[in-house]
This record gives sequence, structure tokens and C-alpha cells, in this order.
Amino acid sequence: AIQMTQSPSSLSASVGDRVTISCRASQAISNYLGWFQQKPGKAPKILIYAASTLISGVPSRFNGSGSGTDFTLTISSLQPEDFATYYCLHDYNFPLTFGGGTKVDIK
Amino acid sequence: EVQLLESGGGLEQPGGSLRLTCVASGFSFKNYVMNWVRQAPGKAPEWVSTISETGSTYYTDSVKGRFTISRDNSRNTLFLQMNGLRVDDTAVYYCARDIPGIGNFDIWGPGTMVTVST
Repeated sequence: AIQMTQSPSSLSASVGDRVTISCRASQAISNYLGWFQQKPGKAPKILIYAASTLISGVPSRFNGSGSGTDFTLTISSLQPEDFATYYCLHDYNFPLTFGGGTKVDIK
Repeated sequence: EVQLLESGGGLEQPGGSLRLTCVASGFSFKNYVMNWVRQAPGKAPEWVSTISETGSTYYTDSVKGRFTISRDNSRNTLFLQMNGLRVDDTAVYYCARDIPGIGNFDIWGPGTMVTVST
């Protein structure tokens, strides 16, 4: 099974900061990667699929990049509603696997 | 409005069974790959199972032989039959829709809690 390693596991940031979250696959997965945001008590919400395609309605401050084994989610200017936990998910083959998550909280 | 709504969770003893149901609305259910994903308290989500539009099924290793995914397209409903429940099956179970031709999950239900305990 492909392992997805996310870093950092948590970070503290201020409104307006640029935030970068990384996800590394244990083998090449082309661009078969999605990014999700999850708030407490809610289901994950997809932000990006195919590594860099923004879901309709997701603010343009969210950007995904990468291919192969290394991927990045960047939030260009952190907003109050962005404090949440973020997960990557590969869908290259079965079993699908999530990263361990990155919790973004207020500095 | 596109929606998924799970039900059927609850408290069950180790070795017991539960059947989860996910009712879809607002889209042509029969044309979509569907999934179950679970999330144990404080943990990352974990993919559990997928069923294609044509009924092909896939499972994570830890549930193979115990869980069965199925669908009833006439009722826009997805199922997860869970037998031989274990304490480590305790989680919120979500159903999720695939993005057509892409994979990954664009629509999720609110989830149903399954607790396996004595």
C-alpha cells in the first residue's frame, strides 16, 4: 500500500500568513491526489483534486501543486475560517490512503 | 441539492453486526462510484470500501471478509454490512461520492457513529 506522509502535523499561524503543507507519497502517484479541509464534528470537504484543480467555489487563496511523490497545499493569505485540519488523499490505486493530517491553529 | 445521508450506526458488542445505509439525493446515483470512509476519534480518515457503477467492489485489508459493500440503484441507496465487529472498528462512518472519471471524493454525508464495545 502507498503511504502518505504529511508535514508538519500541526502549525500555528496568524491571519494573513502564507501557509504551506506538504504531502509525500511512498511511490509515484502521478497527480492522483486530493486535499481536504475538516472542521471539528464535520465531514471532510474537498478543496483540490488531481493535485492542482480547485473545486468550484473554493477560494483562490488555496493552491495545490506537485506530481509524482511530492505535493504541496498552499494557503496564500490565511483567513479566520481556514483554521482547520487538512488531509491529503491519494487515489492512484487501491487501497486509497490519507495522510496523517495537518492541524492549522491560531498563533 | 446533492446530498448523502447515512444511518444505521450505534453501539454493538465485539463480534456483532451492523448494517449502515446511505441514501443519495439530487444526482443520478446509478452513474457514480460510491465509497465508505471511516474516522476513528482523533485520527485521520481511513478509506474502507468502494463500489463501482457496475458493482465491482474493493476493500481495505482490515475489513476484507467481514464487511460487504452493496448498492440498490432503484432506491438510490448504498449499504455497508459489517459483521464480526471489532473494537478497532469504532469510528464515524461516512459515505462519499467519487468525482466522475477522477476519483477522490467530492460529496460526503454527515456520518454515522459506530461504537464497538463491551
